[in-house]
Amino acid sequence: AQSVTQLDSQVPVFEEAPVELRCNYSSSVSVYLFWYVQYPNQGLQLLLKYLSGSTLVESINGFEAEFNKSQTSFHLRKPSVHISDTAEYFCAVRGASNTGKLIFGQGTTLQVKP
Amino acid sequence: DAGITQSPRHKVTETGTPVTLRCHQTENHRYMYWYRQDPGHGLRLIHYSYGVKDTDKGEVSDGYSVSRSKTEDFLLTLESATSSQTSVYFCATSGGAGTDTQYFGPGTRLTVL
Repeated sequence: AQSVTQLDSQVPVFEEAPVELRCNYSSSVSVYLFWYVQYPNQGLQLLLKYLSGSTLVESINGFEAEFNKSQTSFHLRKPSVHISDTAEYFCAVRGASNTGKLIFGQGTTLQVKP
Repeated sequence: DAGITQSPRHKVTETGTPVTLRCHQTENHRYMYWYRQDPGHGLRLIHYSYGVKDTDKGEVSDGYSVSRSKTEDFLLTLESATSSQTSVYFCATSGGAGTDTQYFGPGTRLTVL
């Protein structure tokens, strides 16, 4: 079985500042890791994912996450945030099996202030 | 965006009444999922389907049933709604398991009074 812990429920930050949203996972098998973003009153959208290969993955809007197997972490970072990045962010893990079931963390609300 | 619609988008009902939520997809995806979203819990899997008439339980399946008679439709039924089932329900689909991305619908906000 897998589990995911997002260490911060809310992260307030000023516009143009850097941000890190923390995610730790536990699993007894190989995993795939995902970050989803949810804007107010909308469904979830995939931000980025780690499947294999390079441990650093990037999204098209400037976010990046690094898979750290020894620390079982998949933290999300952005060097300079915008007001439009205000949203809830979910880290998720999927075991390398055939069911495709995702296990989500509790979510982190990123509040970008002007 | 994957073509996923959910109906209704909002529903208010009373304790003890049956409720059915519908998820419809136009992507011909094999896998479909129902999640519920509650503050402090993230999203939790209720049931999922890996093909027509093939379904299985998720993490929080008690009080819910599902059916999938066609590839494009996945129904979630609350046989007798309770206040603890007040939540936002999301449907998701994926073409395969493993590395495939799950795409989410817009959600249904259900309130049980």
